[in-house]
Amino acid sequence: DTGVSQDPRHKITKRGQNVTFRCDPISEHNRLYWYRQTLGQGPEFLTYFQNEAQLEKSRLLSDRFSAERPKGSFSTLEIQRTEQGDSAMYLCASSLTASNYGYTFGSGTRLTVV
Amino acid sequence: GQQLNQSPQSMFIQEGEDVSMNCTSSSIFNTWLWYKQDPGEGPVLLIALYKAGELTSNGRLTAQFGITRKDSFLNISASIPSDVGIYFCASLKGNAGNMLTFGGGTRLMVKP
Repeated sequence: DTGVSQDPRHKITKRGQNVTFRCDPISEHNRLYWYRQTLGQGPEFLTYFQNEAQLEKSRLLSDRFSAERPKGSFSTLEIQRTEQGDSAMYLCASSLTASNYGYTFGSGTRLTVV
Repeated sequence: GQQLNQSPQSMFIQEGEDVSMNCTSSSIFNTWLWYKQDPGEGPVLLIALYKAGELTSNGRLTAQFGITRKDSFLNISASIPSDVGIYFCASLKGNAGNMLTFGGGTRLMVKP
């Protein structure tokens, strides 16, 4: 395990469908973050977990979005009733709690809602 | 809210040229980070800066944490084609969650 793994890499879905993405962090990292990146912009924070606890959620995370990290290892991000505005790259990152470095990002899941 | 302004938004340079880009904010930050993102990939950390005035190098890259703690610059010397990508500055305000705020990015294109 040498990095943060995200699955799928690409997802095309019809408006109104639900989608779920998975993130597997670096195994010893206890913090896990979700970011969203739209075309031409920098990543924006969505939410983060310390072990299995979800400690912070951005206002960007509408009630159609839910994230879980049930055993403190992998995490899922679900979007219900997708809208075209949800089209973006969804990035996962992980870090150690005490680290004040930037964290390690995965390659992202690119979502296209048609 | 926090906002990081990066300039220029894009640069098209000749291979071998030096590159300079910067990032400014109206807020004071404790940490400045510079990331590079290749197409279809996540950002990769290049340099981290923790102290006002700090100057740090990583190979051909040099970055500085501004004295006012409201800005940072990144220089790339003797650019090569693989330097192509989007460079983001990011800040860490020392909050408990270590959430990052990113700038809008500088897109670098290098002509061989």
